[in-house]
Amino acid sequence: DTAVSQTPKYLVTQMGNDKSIKCEQNLGHDTMYWYKQDSKKFLKIMFSYNNKELIINETVPNRFSPKSPDKAHLNLHINSLELGDSAVYFCASSQNTGTGRMDYGYTFGSGTRLTVV
Amino acid sequence: QKEVEQNSGPLSVPEGAIASLNCTYSDRGSQSFFWYRQYSGKSPELIMSIYSNGDKEDGRFTAQLNKASQYVSLLIRDSQPSDSATYLCAVKGTGNQFYFGTGTSLTVIP
Repeated sequence: DTAVSQTPKYLVTQMGNDKSIKCEQNLGHDTMYWYKQDSKKFLKIMFSYNNKELIINETVPNRFSPKSPDKAHLNLHINSLELGDSAVYFCASSQNTGTGRMDYGYTFGSGTRLTVV
Repeated sequence: QKEVEQNSGPLSVPEGAIASLNCTYSDRGSQSFFWYRQYSGKSPELIMSIYSNGDKEDGRFTAQLNKASQYVSLLIRDSQPSDSATYLCAVKGTGNQFYFGTGTSLTVIP
């Protein structure tokens, strides 16, 4: 079974449209994330979210909004898409164990390649 | 200054050689360090984690951590063409935030 699944895998859309990307994890992790990977492969955090806290990277335009119906899902909604939004978007999850204890890193979804034309 | 820095490469090594990938980080309080491998068009996958100073070995992979120098490295012994990928260093900072480096592209030449 897929641990972190994203849909769709590819998304081609016109400028100005609104689109959503869905993410689900079945690992029981308590924190989920959205990352944007640009053409230079740099992974940039957009959001992290658990039951208690949404942390927004201040550089993310407010056209992007995370929506979490429950602990296992974190969807990404994008309004008024722009050409510069074209990138690969990765969902990820992790189990945060707190300061001083081991962390096990992220498990990534397979990514959504968004192309805005 | 970026939180995590890597040499972007590309790094080319012949098959069977040792590939050495390096990473430095800025947050001195960081406690958790990870190496991810990303094949072209695929998602990053975790290959190594390290939390204490010294070496940690897992098969052909060895992670090395030096907190005093704020330096973490990954050695790949007996490199194989299938090791050709981008390797991402990730560090969990004191603010519970993960920071990724820009990755080092590795090519293993048969």
